[in-house]
Amino acid sequence: EVQLLESGRGLVQPGGSLRLSCAASGFTFSSFAMSWVRQAPGKGLEWVSAISGSGTSTYYADSVKGRFTISRDNSKNTLYLQMNSLRAEDTAIYYCAKVLKGGATHFDSWGQGILITVSS
Amino acid sequence: DIQMTQSPSSVSASVGDRVTITCRASQGISSWLAWYQQKPGKAPKLLIYAASSLQSGVPSRFRGSGSGTDFTLTISSLQPEDFATYYCQQANSFPLTFGGGTKVEIK
Repeated sequence: EVQLLESGRGLVQPGGSLRLSCAASGFTFSSFAMSWVRQAPGKGLEWVSAISGSGTSTYYADSVKGRFTISRDNSKNTLYLQMNSLRAEDTAIYYCAKVLKGGATHFDSWGQGILITVSS
Repeated sequence: DIQMTQSPSSVSASVGDRVTITCRASQGISSWLAWYQQKPGKAPKLLIYAASSLQSGVPSRFRGSGSGTDFTLTISSLQPEDFATYYCQQANSFPLTFGGGTKVEIK
């Protein structure tokens, strides 16, 4: 069974930094691209970033480009999101998601999500 | 960026009704479209990928169709567990984008 478990500090001040982790199990982690998707309170889904299975290719939404960095450690089966220069509008539930096998960047497994609040 | 526009934003329906949700892309995305279901307080769940392929374990009352710019999610006979919010998502190109969501409510 695929399991994805996000972790990280929940409250950070504007301008601050935070690293999210997503521990994966139940599948061959290095064989799958992974992604982060967020959802502001009461709002819809927003894709944030994606990374290939090897980690060599990364992609970002314009809203986070230059501030967030996605990475992975395949030896630890863990996905990361380093978030810098955080803003109030980054407040959201952050989900890590496993990309479907076969080429299309659709998400067939999701973590339970972690609420990140950017506030002073 | 490719914009995804869902309609309606909400729909009221009864158990047993047929419900149709549409998603329009601002440019052609071939069949690179997925549909997700999200219930309150839960993570989204993949229902349909590649426009019309049913994800494993998803009931056959869910059907996806379309290609290019216009797509449809149809629930053939609404069940109590189907009351939720539904999102489309394009995977044709980065940045990936979601539709704004359609909330299916009890009539």
